[in-house]
Amino acid sequence: DAGVIQSPRHEVTEMGQEVTLRCKPISGHDYLFWYRQTMMRGLELLIYFNNNVPIDDSGMPEDRFSAKMPNASFSTLKIQPSEPRDSAVYFCASSPVGGRTDTQYFGPGTRLTVL
Amino acid sequence: AQSVTQPDIHITVSEGASLELRCNYSYGATPYLFWYVQSPGQGLQLLLKYFSGDTLVQGIKGFEAEFKRSQSSFNLRKPSVHWSDAAEYFCAVGPSGTYKYIFGTGTRLKVLA
Repeated sequence: DAGVIQSPRHEVTEMGQEVTLRCKPISGHDYLFWYRQTMMRGLELLIYFNNNVPIDDSGMPEDRFSAKMPNASFSTLKIQPSEPRDSAVYFCASSPVGGRTDTQYFGPGTRLTVL
Repeated sequence: AQSVTQPDIHITVSEGASLELRCNYSYGATPYLFWYVQSPGQGLQLLLKYFSGDTLVQGIKGFEAEFKRSQSSFNLRKPSVHWSDAAEYFCAVGPSGTYKYIFGTGTRLKVLA
């Protein structure tokens, strides 16, 4: 299996621009997670989906952030407008069906820099 | 409130030496506990997890961890460190009822040849 695929791996943009991060989970996994990692706050869960439905988005920092999962093999995290404080590494992870005891498989991350 | 503390930000050991990384948690019930490793430029990889049963858990790459309820700890150990173990290690707690895992701030391991 190819694992979780994220694109782009690096993104540099200017403040105010729209940013879209993409994720392809492992085939057959029913859960998808978006995390953000910063030096100050560590690794934070932003939102997760089960069978393409958002279950908990309480970690999304503000309305500028939105996430979608139009089908089982694709999800996006969008920031509009972006701000310098959004600079971070964003990880996508997926997990197979079976409950919270299952392992989460992480993608390589997207390093976002907002100038 | 639920929390995870990794007291050591950086640890340096010589290759072949033993290793122990500390993790303390604050949680109201029996937690689900995890250790992940992150190599530079990579995502996190699960080393091991504990849900119930035997408090000594074996993981991949020769790692093990011991759950000590009385100390609210879940320390990661390895008897002999290899240079390839240099990475950042994260402890995480899984609260009951959700996937909202809480991650510690990580311990960066450096291995001296």
